[in-house]
Amino acid sequence: NAGVTQTPKFRVLKTGQSMTLLCAQDMNHEYMYWYRQDPGMGLRLIHYSVGEGTTAKGEVPDGYNVSRLKKQNFLLGLESAAPSQTSVYFCASSYSPGARGQPQHFGDGTRLSIL
Amino acid sequence: RKEVEQDPGPFNVPEGATVAFNCTYSNSASQSFFWYRQDCRKEPKLLMSVYSSGNEDGRFTAQLNRASQYISLLIRDSKLSDSATYLCVVKSGVTGGGNKLTFGTGTQLKVEL
Repeated sequence: NAGVTQTPKFRVLKTGQSMTLLCAQDMNHEYMYWYRQDPGMGLRLIHYSVGEGTTAKGEVPDGYNVSRLKKQNFLLGLESAAPSQTSVYFCASSYSPGARGQPQHFGDGTRLSIL
Repeated sequence: RKEVEQDPGPFNVPEGATVAFNCTYSNSASQSFFWYRQDCRKEPKLLMSVYSSGNEDGRFTAQLNRASQYISLLIRDSKLSDSATYLCVVKSGVTGGGNKLTFGTGTQLKVEL
């Protein structure tokens, strides 16, 4: 049972380059999320999806785009990378959070450095 | 004021000690509460949910005080393997439906010999 899988695990980009982070989950979860984690900031929600074909902005969406073409996959795109986007990115998934107490399951993160 | 606040620590305790962390939240309409554990350079993992009546899981006890808007985590008989960062997480509703999770910045625990 793989759970939530993120690829790649590490990446170094130059300013202005683009890339896509892939998240895949095999738990048939409806909800998927992308977070970034920076020192002293905690996890901050970038974008999320409540189901296949739908996406919504989170707390810090600028500079990122997402797509949820298939239920099991959630892609995070950086169109023109900036040094401020250097961070650790976590994907998570969960059943509908309408049910009280539903936890989120996290992937093991992508460490992205923008030079 | 941050929505979820935690003392960043670090809390340095000897093996076998009892240690407690508190977390305060600002949204009185928050619905659900969790403690996650995050090891260095790893992903957050759910430690336990926090229920209104308080709940226990082995050496770990979680408490919720809605009136004062704080959550606590008590770890008894600390083990070296308990060394990690503990994240307080609060689920709240948002305008238009749905809800969101807000993460605290975490409290670092170091258990020493």
